[in-house]
Amino acid sequence: GDSVTQMEGPVTLSEEAFLTINCTYTATGYPSLFWYVQYPGEGLQLLLKATKADDKGSNKGFEATYRKETTSFHLEKGSVQVSDSAVYFCAQGGYQKVTFGIGTKLQVIP
Amino acid sequence: DAGVIQSPRHEVTEMGQEVTLRCKPISGHNSLFWYRQTMMRGLELLIYFNNNVPIDDSGMPEDRFSAKMPNASFSTLKIQPSEPRDSAVYFCASSLSVRSNQPQHFGDGTRLSIL
Repeated sequence: GDSVTQMEGPVTLSEEAFLTINCTYTATGYPSLFWYVQYPGEGLQLLLKATKADDKGSNKGFEATYRKETTSFHLEKGSVQVSDSAVYFCAQGGYQKVTFGIGTKLQVIP
Repeated sequence: DAGVIQSPRHEVTEMGQEVTLRCKPISGHNSLFWYRQTMMRGLELLIYFNNNVPIDDSGMPEDRFSAKMPNASFSTLKIQPSEPRDSAVYFCASSLSVRSNQPQHFGDGTRLSIL
């Protein structure tokens, strides 16, 4: 069945460091791919998405590229800020529902 | 624009009591999802509706859980009787449709504690 695998956290980085959170998926067909972010005490918010191979989603300095050949959708940011501290979820849109990864907690320290 | 609205934000009750969680989806959204989030199990899909009709309730853990969507602007998730292991954060989400490229919009959740 459809599944999403993302790296275990927590990830701790210093401010202005480079961020990569890995995500791979298994699916039949060509799903849409998403990254969501969850801040403490809040629900998940869509961060970015890509709907077909080689698409790059971007938002707030975050980027992820839909790689069909490696079935991956890694999240990157060139320079993280303390305000980026949150839990990040990779997800894929399958038939009639979305499958979420387990979430990766990011902590950015000043 | 108003997002997904959930109530209450927090609920503390004793085991055996009935609990009702409420959700108002974004106007114009045709699909609604109920999730449960815990540290141990992460984010779990409980049930989802399309055009007010339940489509898949295979994630509902037990018969103690039930969900309804009487109209396009309101849904409830009910637990009766509640148990301590039901303690979790429950999220409601809505989307324009169940098409795979449609993102879901989440409410801020209901933090439920069963004593």
